[in-house]
Order: sequence, then structure tokens, then C-alpha cells
Amino acid sequence: DIQMTQSPSSLSASVGDRVTITCRASQSIGSYLNWYQQKPGKAPKVLIYAASSLQSGVPSRFSGSGSGTDFTLTINSLQPEDFATYYCQQSYSTPRTFGQGTKLEIK
Amino acid sequence: QVLLQESGPGLVKPSETLSLTCTVSGASISSDYWSWIRQPAGKGLEWIGRIYSSGSTNYNSSLKSRVIMSVDTSKNQFSLKLTSVTAADTAVYYCARENQLLYRNFDYWGQGTLVTVSS
Repeated sequence: DIQMTQSPSSLSASVGDRVTITCRASQSIGSYLNWYQQKPGKAPKVLIYAASSLQSGVPSRFSGSGSGTDFTLTINSLQPEDFATYYCQQSYSTPRTFGQGTKLEIK
Repeated sequence: QVLLQESGPGLVKPSETLSLTCTVSGASISSDYWSWIRQPAGKGLEWIGRIYSSGSTNYNSSLKSRVIMSVDTSKNQFSLKLTSVTAADTAVYYCARENQLLYRNFDYWGQGTLVTVSS
């Protein structure tokens, strides 16, 4: 199974900040990396697919980069609605696996 | 608009079988793969497995011996059975579509249903 490791596990930031979350795969997954945002009591929502493609309807302050084993999610100019938990997920092979999550909190 | 809705008992006794159904509207279940994903309270996401309309399945090896998935194309539904449940299977269970055209991301999710395993 491909292990996905996110860092940090939690992050405090202020409205207007720029934050970066990293995700590392235990083996190369090409660009088969997706990012999700989850708010309490809600299902995850896809933000980025194929490592860097913005899902329709997602604000452009979200961006993704990377390939192979190392990936990043960047959020520019944090908005109040961005405080949530973020997960990376590989879709290169089964079983599909997720990172452990990064909880983004208000400073 | 694609909608997924999970249904099934919210309480299951230990050693019994958890059964859930996901009803899909706004999309044909005859395309794409359809997955079950679960999340224990306060924890991360775990992929349980997926099914295609042909009935082809892939399961997480950690649960493979206890998981059975099926599909009913006439009702646009797919289902999950998890046998011999324990308290460790208590979680919110989500169904989701895996979009094969967009790098296999989970683009549509059900709202989730909490299943508690308790006597």
C-alpha cells in the first residue's frame, strides 16, 4: 500500500496569511494526487486533482504543485471559511489512501 | 446535479453485519467507480473499497475478508456489507464517486451516515 504523510498535522494562521501543506507519498505516484477540504460534520470536498488542477468552483487562492513523491497545497490570502482540515489522497493505485490530515486553525 | 445518499441502520450489534446502500441521482451508476469511505470520530479517512457497474470490485486489504460490495444498476444504487463488526467499525460512512476522467478524484460524496456498533 502507498503511505501518504502530511505535514504539519496542525497549523495556526491568521486571515490573510499564506499557508503551505505538504504531502509525501511512500513511492512515486506521478500526478495522481488529490487534495480535499473537510469542515466539521461535512463530507470532504475536492479542491485540487491531478496535483495541480483546480476543481471547478474552487477559489483561485488554492493551488497545488508537485509530482512523483512530494506535493504541496498552498492557500494564498486565507479567508475565514478556509479554516478546516485538509487531506491529500493518492489515486495512483488501490487501495486508495489518504494522508492523516492537516487541521488549519485560526491564530 | 449529482447527489449521493447513504441509507441504512445507524446502530449495529457487535458480530453482526453492517449494511448500507448509496442511492445515486443525477448520474448513471453505469459509469465511473463508486467507493465507500469511512471516518471514525475525530480521525482520518479510510477507503473501504470500490465497485464498477459490471460488479468488479477492489477492496482495502485491511478489511477485505469482511467486505462485500454490490451494485444494482436498475435502481442506480450500490451497497456495502461489512461482516463481524466490532466497536472499531464505528464511524461515519460515506459513499463517493471516483471520477475516472479527472485523475480518479472523489468528486461527489454523500452526506455521510453514522454507524455505531454497540450492544
